[in-house]
Amino acid sequence: NAGVTQTPKFRVLKTGQSMTLLCAQDMNHEYMYWYRQDPGMGLRLIHYSVGEGTTAKGEVPDGYNVSRLKKQNFLLGLESAAPSQTSVYFCASSFLTRVGNTIYFGEGSWLTVV
Amino acid sequence: AQSVAQPEDQVNVAEGNPLTVKCTYSVSGNPYLFWYVQYPNRGLQFLLKYITGDNLVKGSYGFEAEFNKSQTSFHLKKPSALVSDSALYFCAVRPGSSNTGKLIFGQGTTLQVKP
Repeated sequence: NAGVTQTPKFRVLKTGQSMTLLCAQDMNHEYMYWYRQDPGMGLRLIHYSVGEGTTAKGEVPDGYNVSRLKKQNFLLGLESAAPSQTSVYFCASSFLTRVGNTIYFGEGSWLTVV
Repeated sequence: AQSVAQPEDQVNVAEGNPLTVKCTYSVSGNPYLFWYVQYPNRGLQFLLKYITGDNLVKGSYGFEAEFNKSQTSFHLKKPSALVSDSALYFCAVRPGSSNTGKLIFGQGTTLQVKP
């Protein structure tokens, strides 16, 4: 049972470099999300997608781009990394339902920008 | 503004004692409330949720939470704490008016259970 899988798990970037975080889910979920976790701030939503080919901004979208070309994948891109983007990134997914749907998380990607 | 507050950064309890991790919320409409647990260097694991019905919700690993609408709270509880319960706990809310499923998280509470 893979669930939500994120790659890479760890990465160190230099300021100005670009990279892409890949998220894959095998639960046939319609919704996918990218959150970042910073000490004392909980999880903050970066971008989300309610279906293949659609994306929307969350709470802290600046400096990030996303794409959902396939239902099972949700990519998070950093075009020009900044030290403020040093964080732990979590991908998550859930079913489309009108009742409180449970969101399932990946194991996280630790990103350091130097 | 919609928000979730966890007033305690850390909760310390002795093994075998009851534990409570507090959570209050402020959202429009009827909320859907969740608790997640995070072990070191791991992702968030779902513990339990309140959607509707009985105010006392039972979840994984012996945890339960009580929804109190008048106090806008959703405190996490366990009758007898284990050392293995030591972790970071997050309360989260999805506003009932939201159709995107996204959650608003509290800042997290570290639970430390000592032998």
